Amino acid sequence: GAVVSQHPSRVICKSGTSVKIECRSLDFQATTMFWYRQFPKQSLMLMATSNEGSKATYEQGVEKDKFLINHASLTLSTLTVTSAHPEDSSFYICSARVGPGNTIYFGEGSWLTVV
Amino acid sequence: GENVEQHPSTLSVQEGDSAVIKCTYSDSASNYFPWYKQELGKGPQLIIDIRSNVGEKKDQRIAVTLNKTAKHFSLHITETQPEDSAVYFCAASRHTGGFKTIFGAGTRLFVKA
Repeated sequence: GAVVSQHPSRVICKSGTSVKIECRSLDFQATTMFWYRQFPKQSLMLMATSNEGSKATYEQGVEKDKFLINHASLTLSTLTVTSAHPEDSSFYICSARVGPGNTIYFGEGSWLTVV
Repeated sequence: GENVEQHPSTLSVQEGDSAVIKCTYSDSASNYFPWYKQELGKGPQLIIDIRSNVGEKKDQRIAVTLNKTAKHFSLHITETQPEDSAVYFCAASRHTGGFKTIFGAGTRLFVKA
């Protein structure tokens, strides 16, 4: 299957700082990428849908100024958590849609710990 | 709104037994149904999928069935092994009228050796 790479896999940052997570489609072009947040033992919570070259569409309740999403190319989307707080600590996962079809592949996830 | 219900939330089986996870969707425009396996601390991995023009698909020990009329689809794992222990997510997806994928809440499968 298609490969989606996410980096970093783990990151620790201090409160008040910003941290960037990258999501890359390695062997295909992804016009649409998705960002999720997952709390322990819970399902995937869609945060936003990112389309190449346009503004991301955020789900209700997700602060777009806090979770900045950029999809500058067909193979890269980034999520920047700004002014991080301990409650932002979570597992963040990206996924990418393959072509015009429905198939979605996920990245490996990124553990964010804000201290 | 549209949703996907997944049952059971937790499933414990003995090694070698079969495991069945069931999902129900509400969006009649859904035409693609993937299943993902998520191991602890990792991202979900696509393990099998089925499209709306197919009623059943099998890949070694894993099979999926789809009943479009009833809006039900199921994952069947035969001859379970301890390494099958993980969280499994079903999803229903459509791309007509706007692309949308809705995930079930997940099933935590334990395979006891």
